[in-house]
Amino acid sequence: DSGVTQTPKHLITATGQRVTLRCSPRSGDLSVYWYQQSLDQGLQFLIHYYNGEERAKGNILERFSAQQFPDLHSELNLSSLELGDSALYFCASSVGQGPQETQYFGPGTRLLVL
Amino acid sequence: AQSVTQLGSHVSVSEGALVLLRCNYSSSVPPYLFWYVQYPNQGLQLLLKYTSAATLVKGINGFEAEFKKSETSFHLTKPSAHMSDAAEYFCAVSDQAAGNKLTFGGGTRVLVKP
Repeated sequence: DSGVTQTPKHLITATGQRVTLRCSPRSGDLSVYWYQQSLDQGLQFLIHYYNGEERAKGNILERFSAQQFPDLHSELNLSSLELGDSALYFCASSVGQGPQETQYFGPGTRLLVL
Repeated sequence: AQSVTQLGSHVSVSEGALVLLRCNYSSSVPPYLFWYVQYPNQGLQLLLKYTSAATLVKGINGFEAEFKKSETSFHLTKPSAHMSDAAEYFCAVSDQAAGNKLTFGGGTRVLVKP
């Protein structure tokens, strides 16, 4: 158990819908990263928040957005869902920077868009 | 941009045999390198990391990896495979210029034969 929690574990929805994925980092971790794992794209970085502020963006679609709240939990919002958005979404949290930083991953949310 | 290449998407080893998973990276700065393992229906678990200290890094579950700058490699080994090592393994490099996001290789799925 990494100490990072993600809810829900599974999500089934229809095209065009909107969903929210939630991540609670390990106690004391200020950074939250979101990644998408799909069969065709592999593991890809989406976005990084540090203490409530966006730090870096990766290959995140405009239909996707995220935020980190004052209690440090984060939410990833996916809207106008398409079949291709079906994937496993991970969040990871970390403390420290540079060589001391290690990302610890949650169990993921498996999204299926029908 | 940094990149990671894992040679062999699938590796089959006999129980008790050497496990060797290959990883080559591309980075314009001294890299921070990681190996993660993903068991079926689970998140990513950190096996080990290289942060420019010792070139031979020991991790959990008997795994180790050697950083070779001249070969831009960070191969993962385990002297004797166990059935419980069946999983998917990911090599990753940390992009210090982009908030330490992780760039992952395509993964290598390990099958252990009795």
